[in-house]
Amino acid sequence: QSALTQPASVSGSPGQSITISCTATSSDVGGYNYVSWYQQHPGKAPKLMIYDVIQRPSGVSNRFSGSKSGNTASLTISGLQAEDEADYYCSSYRSSGTRVFGGGTKLTVL
Amino acid sequence: EVQLLESGGGLVQPGGSLRLSCAASGFTFSSYAMSWVRQAPGKGLEWVSGISGSGGSAYYADSVKGRFTISRDNSKNTVYLQMNSLRAEDTALYYCAKHPSYYYDSSTFFDYWGQGTLVTVSS
Repeated sequence: QSALTQPASVSGSPGQSITISCTATSSDVGGYNYVSWYQQHPGKAPKLMIYDVIQRPSGVSNRFSGSKSGNTASLTISGLQAEDEADYYCSSYRSSGTRVFGGGTKLTVL
Repeated sequence: EVQLLESGGGLVQPGGSLRLSCAASGFTFSSYAMSWVRQAPGKGLEWVSGISGSGGSAYYADSVKGRFTISRDNSKNTVYLQMNSLRAEDTALYYCAKHPSYYYDSSTFFDYWGQGTLVTVSS
């Protein structure tokens, strides 16, 4: 079982906002200010969407935003579009120096 | 433009070995830490191993420790993953991923990914 827990699936209609949570379930997930989020379309490589909880790389739509409360980080997508339908993964690091991913969340745009 | 091109995947029998390569271009390769991340068919992402820009520091997931070895040749802009004693559960698409800094310890995310190379372990 992953040290980062995500919902298996979320859905929303075009134009709506959705939020995907990522909860650290292990005490060795260190410095939880370093959560990143990745989007993966079927058959494609993952793409960085958010890093260090709230930072957005250049070229990523400002409809994507990150936040954190306690041991739960969240990815919010506003103004949902059909192209946002994909799998989303959160990631962090452990005190051992290793890296960990959440189990992934499948976003369906209705 | 950053490009990462993995190669070396294929079909191997349980207990066998394989060496994956990731050729990098579009950035100063020796200045950045690198990682390997895998994805079993229909499953999520799993970090496998990471290495610092110099190659002096390497880390491994518990699931591969003692069986896999990560290395890099900065003169060839290439990072490798030597995989020994392969098991059926190692079957996955293996991605090469770049980190945003030289030191692996301070590299908190993966900023670029390759397209992956498929490893199938089966008799």
